[in-house]
Amino acid sequence: EDQVTQSPEALRLQEGESSSLNCSYTVSGLRGLFWYRQDPGKGPEFLFTLYSAGEEKEKERLKATLTKKESFLHITAPKPEDSATYLCAVRTGGGNKLTFGTGTQLKVEL
Amino acid sequence: GAGVSQSPSNKVTEKGKDVELRCDPISGHTALYWYRQSLGQGLEFLIYFQGNSAPDKSGLPSDRFSAERTGGSVSTLTIQRTQQEDSAVYLCASSPLSGGPPRETQYFGPGTRLLVL
Repeated sequence: EDQVTQSPEALRLQEGESSSLNCSYTVSGLRGLFWYRQDPGKGPEFLFTLYSAGEEKEKERLKATLTKKESFLHITAPKPEDSATYLCAVRTGGGNKLTFGTGTQLKVEL
Repeated sequence: GAGVSQSPSNKVTEKGKDVELRCDPISGHTALYWYRQSLGQGLEFLIYFQGNSAPDKSGLPSDRFSAERTGGSVSTLTIQRTQQEDSAVYLCASSPLSGGPPRETQYFGPGTRLLVL
């Protein structure tokens, strides 16, 4: 059974304090790892897709990386507007469903 | 362009009643998914539609749950004889599944918050 574990569950940063969120996975046949951002009361917003170990993607203050066992979402010099829950999901096998982790709740304070 | 829309945004119902949740996918997207997000838990896959193929119903938790997709576009998720444990946010997503990458990326709607009293 595919498993996705995210850590930490919650993270509090000061504005400008860089950090990383972790997503570790145990799957058979990874066909894509997805990062989403979810604001309270809203649906997940797509950020990145990574397909193979060594791949990296960047968007503004966010950078996602992938190894054979885990993915990291690096946040550089975060701002309060980066506060949200960050979700990691994997697509495996022959289907199209995503298996999600429980997320990391990030709060960036002034 | 317009994103995935869902209605109603909130629904309060009494235990034992039936509810219908609606999803309008992004125009032109051939794949449609339903997920459930319970408090403190990750998103849980429910069902997947792709074109005219038979839906993947492997995530439906019981036979009280059903879904249909009419004309390859709008989808309705129906929960019969609702129970308190059905209280959750129900999210719909769609994917183009054609054209260039990232064709399999799922784009989510805002969700329907269901509360069963």
